[in-house]
Amino acid sequence: EAGVAQSPRYKIIEKRQSVAFWCNPISGHATLYWYQQILGQGPKLLIQFQNNGVVDDSQLPKDRFSAERLKGVDSTLKIQPAKLEDSAVYLCASSLGPAGGQETQYFGPGTRLLVL
Amino acid sequence: AQTVTQSQPEMSVQEAETVTLSCTYDTSESNYYLFWYKQPPSRQMILVIRQEAYKQQNATENRFSVNFQKAAKSFSLKISDSQLGDTAMYFCAFMNGGAQKLVFGQGTRLTINP
Repeated sequence: EAGVAQSPRYKIIEKRQSVAFWCNPISGHATLYWYQQILGQGPKLLIQFQNNGVVDDSQLPKDRFSAERLKGVDSTLKIQPAKLEDSAVYLCASSLGPAGGQETQYFGPGTRLLVL
Repeated sequence: AQTVTQSQPEMSVQEAETVTLSCTYDTSESNYYLFWYKQPPSRQMILVIRQEAYKQQNATENRFSVNFQKAAKSFSLKISDSQLGDTAMYFCAFMNGGAQKLVFGQGTRLTINP
């Protein structure tokens, strides 16, 4: 079974530029999550999708971050404009979701973003 | 809001020794799940072990086991016969059964020395 795929693996941009990350979850997983992990900290949830609907985006900085999961499969996370403090690893995870009765989240390899 | 605390920022043991990582959490919920994830230098977050709060029996996965003390809100991870490949950051995480949102601790950096 293929795992969660993410691209790109690394990205370096200047502040005020825009950037987008892509995630493809494990096949059949209804729930998709984006986490932000700042160096030296545990991951923090940015947004959670159930199929193509948003379940929780309470910690997403909506003035600069946006995310979509249009067809209920893959997802993109965008930052526009980027700030220095957005430098972090962005992790995507997926799970079967409540209908599947499986709470375990499986993570992708992450995208490391450096904002200069 | 739920919080997860890992009080050991770093630990170091010799290969083949047993090591225990501590985790405490705070919640008023009765239905929840607890997890330990491992994050090696590659940054891939890998599930080590999970525990359902309603289960009294402690979870075990090969060399990894937990000591789940529900009343004390404690969830420690024991690694037996530690191996060099166990070197990584270890994160304790909490999930409310209804919300399905993971709340992570700050992590413990574990180094296994040859």
